[in-house]
Amino acid sequence: GENVEQHPSTLSVQEGDSAVIKCTYSDSASNYFPWYKQELGKGPQLIIDIRSNVGEKKDQRIAVTLNKTAKHFSLHITETQPEDSAVYFCAASIRYSSASKIIFGSGTRLSIRP
Amino acid sequence: DVKVTQSSRYLVKRTGEKVFLECVQDMDHENMFWYRQDPGLGLRLIYFSYDVKMKEKGDIPEGYSVSREKKERFSLILESASTNQTSMYLCASVRDGLHEQFFGPGTRLTVL
Repeated sequence: GENVEQHPSTLSVQEGDSAVIKCTYSDSASNYFPWYKQELGKGPQLIIDIRSNVGEKKDQRIAVTLNKTAKHFSLHITETQPEDSAVYFCAASIRYSSASKIIFGSGTRLSIRP
Repeated sequence: DVKVTQSSRYLVKRTGEKVFLECVQDMDHENMFWYRQDPGLGLRLIYFSYDVKMKEKGDIPEGYSVSREKKERFSLILESASTNQTSMYLCASVRDGLHEQFFGPGTRLTVL
């Protein structure tokens, strides 16, 4: 079935450095790719998303790139800060019965070292 | 401010008990979802609903059922709780499939 693979499962970076999380998806019909951040004790929250008609999107220190040919997409966080420490999930849309749904990756626990 | 609320943050139940998890959203969204979150497995879809009284099985529906009698409320039911259903349960809602999903804070369920 359709799936989304996410790497790495844990990532530790020095404050101020960049962090990159990578995902691959299996359904070539996927056309929506959101990224969610989950802080301790909270539900996931959308931080950025990209649709299949663009290759890159940027929002301040966060950027996402999409390679539809290779079925890869990545999250880039620059100038990392302590508040970036969280679990990050990538996801891809799939068409399912009469509605679309989202398949999530397994998550990346990002730790920012002071 | 958009909001998805879940009836309990923490719940402890015994094996064999019937368990109800409630989710309410105030955004008039058509679609609502129930996920379970386990370490290393991400968020796995249990059931979703795209309209009142409509439901679809997700990837792991076994041992669960759902109810959606009103647009704003989506309930997850564990007919006979088992220890392997100990998990974090997250509810979400979305206007349609290709927009931001709004999540509740989660219910951490422990089945003894």
